[in-house]
Amino acid sequence: QQQVKQSPQSLIVQKGGISIINCAYENTAFDYFPWYQQFPGKGPALLIAIRPDVSEKKEGRFTISFNKSAKQFSLHIMDSQPGDSATYFCAAYGDTGNQFYFGTGTSLTVIP
Amino acid sequence: DVKVTQSSRYLVKRTGEKVFLECVQDMDHENMFWYRQDPGLGLRLIYFSYDVKMKEKGDIPEGYSVSREKKERFSLILESASTNQTSMYLCASRPQGGPPSGYTFGSGTRLTVV
Repeated sequence: QQQVKQSPQSLIVQKGGISIINCAYENTAFDYFPWYQQFPGKGPALLIAIRPDVSEKKEGRFTISFNKSAKQFSLHIMDSQPGDSATYFCAAYGDTGNQFYFGTGTSLTVIP
Repeated sequence: DVKVTQSSRYLVKRTGEKVFLECVQDMDHENMFWYRQDPGLGLRLIYFSYDVKMKEKGDIPEGYSVSREKKERFSLILESASTNQTSMYLCASRPQGGPPSGYTFGSGTRLTVV
C-alpha cells in the first residue's frame, strides 16, 4: 500500500516556466515532509522540507505548499531551468515509525 | 558533509549467486537503510537498522538479508539472486533522535542479474 501518492509521473516544462509536483498522504501521524532531488547516476539528495505547522516554505526558486486539512503537499519550481531536470521524490515521516515513506517519483525535463 | 559510500556502482551477477552489497557511512549515524529503486515504483524499503546487530524488515524483505556488525557498515545480502532482483539499490543513513533530518543517500549500486 502506497503511503504517499505522487503525481505526475513525468513532467516537461519550458525554461522559465513553473514546475508543480503533487503529493498526498493518509497517515495523520506524519509530521515531516521532505522533497528529494535525484540526478542520473546519483543518489537522492534532500532539497527542501516542511513541517505541518506552516503552510508554505520557500528556498530560492523552490517552494513547498502544504495543505494539512487536505493531506496534500506540493513542490513548486519557479523559473525552471534545464539544470533542474531530475527525478523528484516527495516523502513523509512520523515518529511512530523509523522510516521515510517515499512517493513514486516525478521525472522532470526542462526544455531550453 | 556526511558521506555514504556504496562499494560498487555496477554489478552483474548470475541467477542463484549469493550477492553482497556493501555500504559504509562516516558520520557515526545510528540508522541505516537499504532501498531498491524501480521505475514507476519509487523507493521501496528492504531493511533498516537502528543499531549494531539490530535489523528490522521493511516493506519488501523477501529474498534479502542484512548484516550490521559495525556501526559504520550495513551490508545487503541476496541469498540466491534472481532476475526480479535486477534493480538500483540505494543505501542511506541518518542520525537517531530529535527532529528528523533527511537521509543521506549513497550513489547507488545498479545490479543486473542474468
